Amino acid sequence: DAGITQSPRHKVTETGTPVTLRCHQTENHRYMYWYRQDPGHGLRLIHYSYGVKDTDKGEVSDGYSVSRSKTEDFLLTLESATSSQTSVYFCAISENREASPLHFGNGTRLTVT
Amino acid sequence: AQSVAQPEDQVNVAEGNPLTVKCTYSVSGNPYLFWYVQYPNRGLQFLLKYITGDNLVKGSYGFEAEFNKSQTSFHLKKPSALVSDSALYFCAVRDNTNAGKSTFGDGTTLTVKP
Repeated sequence: DAGITQSPRHKVTETGTPVTLRCHQTENHRYMYWYRQDPGHGLRLIHYSYGVKDTDKGEVSDGYSVSRSKTEDFLLTLESATSSQTSVYFCAISENREASPLHFGNGTRLTVT
Repeated sequence: AQSVAQPEDQVNVAEGNPLTVKCTYSVSGNPYLFWYVQYPNRGLQFLLKYITGDNLVKGSYGFEAEFNKSQTSFHLKKPSALVSDSALYFCAVRDNTNAGKSTFGDGTTLTVKP
């Protein structure tokens, strides 16, 4: 399995608090992605990174920000958590933007009360 | 914009029977297509991909997929299903011109009954 670690695995937080999720990889892959998974919606892209300090928005980026200060770490921050952000969050990495598949972490289950 | 449709939320088959999980896509240019499988409380795992070449691609665990350009389909198949194949399956298309962003279908739950 590709070396991807997401932390924490589970988190419960209150509405209005900031939350940061971490994705750490040991594969030295250039491309990293944050997805959320919700029933009936499959996986939706939140933000992605194509290099250190190079990030961009995905289709559901409102209320989220990211940072990538080094190759191995990609942080997702919920600036002020809302109940609609209750979800399972997956980080994925890829060696290139073409033929390489995505490799996923085991996810973070976030509950906003 | 690219998109993926998985028309069946659920597919039920008996063990030993062939299975098909359907996927259609929409993309400008040449499609980069992938299938992933997800087991409970785990991330998605790569099964197989179509980039170019033969329309029938083979992947992990005995799965294969048939690419059909005229029908814009990429159906996942297996000749003989196992109970252990029961899982959630996702089809995805990758945009190789824009940081490799992947768009996923909503997923199909496959249940294989003994």
